[in-house]
Amino acid sequence: AQTVTQSQPEMSVQEAETVTLSCTYDTSESDYYLFWYKQPPSRQMILVIRQEAYKQQNATENRFSVNFQKAAKSFSLKISDSQLGDAAMYFCAYKSRGAQKLVFGQGTRLTINP
Amino acid sequence: GAGVSQSPRYKVAKRGQDVALRCDPISGHVSLFWYQQALGQGPEFLTYFQNEAQLDKSGLPSDRFFAERPEGSVSTLKIQRTQQEDSAVYLCASSPGLAANEQFFGPGTRLTVL
Repeated sequence: AQTVTQSQPEMSVQEAETVTLSCTYDTSESDYYLFWYKQPPSRQMILVIRQEAYKQQNATENRFSVNFQKAAKSFSLKISDSQLGDAAMYFCAYKSRGAQKLVFGQGTRLTINP
Repeated sequence: GAGVSQSPRYKVAKRGQDVALRCDPISGHVSLFWYQQALGQGPEFLTYFQNEAQLDKSGLPSDRFFAERPEGSVSTLKIQRTQQEDSAVYLCASSPGLAANEQFFGPGTRLTVL
């Protein structure tokens, strides 16, 4: 079974600075998808960014980008120019190409200091 | 357009009571998922529907948990004879189709079993 590990329970960053959240995963598959979801205190989970394993190019969405290292099974999220609205729980998730369910990590609580 | 909605948002039950949690997915979404999120943890998969068919129920923790989606839209997660360990946030997510990878989440129902 696939597992996802987020080794940083909490992170904090000064507003306008850059922060990187770590995620590693374990799988024997070669074709899969990886996601970062944001869960603000209101609890509604929002997709931040996704990466398809067969694509070598790292995904980017505005201030959010990933560093996908397939051989190392690492998928970190970089947030540039951090904003107060970025404060939330961030979850890394894995999905097999042939499956429908998401496998989540334990989450990282991100605090933005003004 | 409207997102995924869930009701009730909060539910308090006495141990041994039965509860029913409702999910209204985004209109037209084929896939529907239920996840359980314990306090301070990432969501864990419970079950998956494709239209009205329950294709994967491997995550249901016991036979006290039952889910249905009789007309391929609204879904209900029922928990019989609730136990304290059932206390969690129950998240519903929907997805447009089989090939789609983004799951759209509802706000969740926080269940507290006393």
